[in-house]
Amino acid sequence: DAKTTQPTSMDCAEGRAANLPCNHSTISGNEYVYWYRQIHSQGPQYIIHGLKNNETNEMASLIITEDRKSSTLILPHATLRDTAVYYCIVGRGRGYNKLIFGAGTRLAVHP
Amino acid sequence: DAGVIQSPRHEVTEMGQEVTLRCKPISGHDYLFWYRQTMMRGLELLIYFNNNVPIDDSGMPEDRFSAKMPNASFSTLKIQPSEPRDSAVYFCASSYTQTLSSGNTIYFGEGSWLTVV
Repeated sequence: DAKTTQPTSMDCAEGRAANLPCNHSTISGNEYVYWYRQIHSQGPQYIIHGLKNNETNEMASLIITEDRKSSTLILPHATLRDTAVYYCIVGRGRGYNKLIFGAGTRLAVHP
Repeated sequence: DAGVIQSPRHEVTEMGQEVTLRCKPISGHDYLFWYRQTMMRGLELLIYFNNNVPIDDSGMPEDRFSAKMPNASFSTLKIQPSEPRDSAVYFCASSYTQTLSSGNTIYFGEGSWLTVV
């Protein structure tokens, strides 16, 4: 599985967009990009995933570069409740479930 | 729809005692995972099952750890004997093989917080 690189921590003002980058330069053609987050004292929570097209759901948007070597998770209007550790994970798609979590990015949303 | 249910939520035990953590996956899910999280090592995959069969237990730290899944709605993670370094949050998670070409997602429980003194 391809490895990912994320910044250790980031800050964001409440109400502003939070843009969390992830590098996955060794990603292979059949690997997806997944984003999870973990709010303190809770289990990790799925946010979004994508293969090569940009994706959007009610929680966030995922922008994947054309060469697929990096991606950005966008929380359009961050709130204090979005303070969490955000994990970018690369793994195969259908029929595959072994997601390996790295250190993630600790996002702090402040008033 | 109930999520992944774990018990106990918190446990404090003495070194040398047996610890059993329990998990009920989401109904219909055919994959079940056990993860461990510590400050030092982060979130580690210990073992996972597919259709109640252990597929990969390479993350199980040592023989003191064992996991079973006797049926599709129940799994246990047992530590015997427990040691202080086993103190961690243990997460159970489940997923299902999707028929669409999109990727798979994993649903986590709230974790079992284990302290071994």
